[in-house]
Amino acid sequence: EDKVVQSPLSLVVHEGDTVTLNCSYEVTNFRSLLWYKQEKKAPTFLFMLTSSGIEKKSGRLSSILDKKELFSILNITATQTGDSAIYLCAVRETSGSRLTFGEGTQLTVNP
Amino acid sequence: GAGVSQSPRYKVAKRGQDVALRCDPISGHVSLFWYQQALGQGPEFLTYFQNEAQLDKSGLPSDRFFAERPEGSVSTLKIQRTQQEDSAVYLCATLDSRGRILTGELFFGEGSRLTVL
Repeated sequence: EDKVVQSPLSLVVHEGDTVTLNCSYEVTNFRSLLWYKQEKKAPTFLFMLTSSGIEKKSGRLSSILDKKELFSILNITATQTGDSAIYLCAVRETSGSRLTFGEGTQLTVNP
Repeated sequence: GAGVSQSPRYKVAKRGQDVALRCDPISGHVSLFWYQQALGQGPEFLTYFQNEAQLDKSGLPSDRFFAERPEGSVSTLKIQRTQQEDSAVYLCATLDSRGRILTGELFFGEGSRLTVL
């Protein structure tokens, strides 16, 4: 059974700090890893990663995948209060369309 | 529509009642997923449709859970004889399975929050 583990489960920082969120996974036939941001509503897509070592970047957010060590990190630099949310990591197998999600990291950015 | 629409947004049921949760997908999106998200947890897969065909229902936790999508558009998740452990947010997500699956961009609705007393 696919398994996705995120850490930390909860993180409180001050505006301007840089944070690193971790995601490790076990999946039989890995296809892709995805990051989502969930505020008090629907998860919204951030990144999809399929290849090791290639950084995806969007503004202050970036993410990278290590397929050998089976993990990914999501970095947020110069955090803002609007970054406060749950960050979800999910993996997809080659055999299907479903995503297996981790528990999420609850990030709180204080002013 | 512009996005995935779910209703009701909030539902309170007494234990033993039946509930029905509705998902209106983005027009033209052939793939539709239902996920269950308990408090403090990530979404857990329930079931998946490709058009009207239910291709995977392995995540449905018991035979009290039933999902349908008879015309390949609107989907309904029905929970019979609700129990307290069914309390969760039920998320619907869709994608068009042609271009989007390459980007992985599932479009989620805002969810239906079910509370079973």
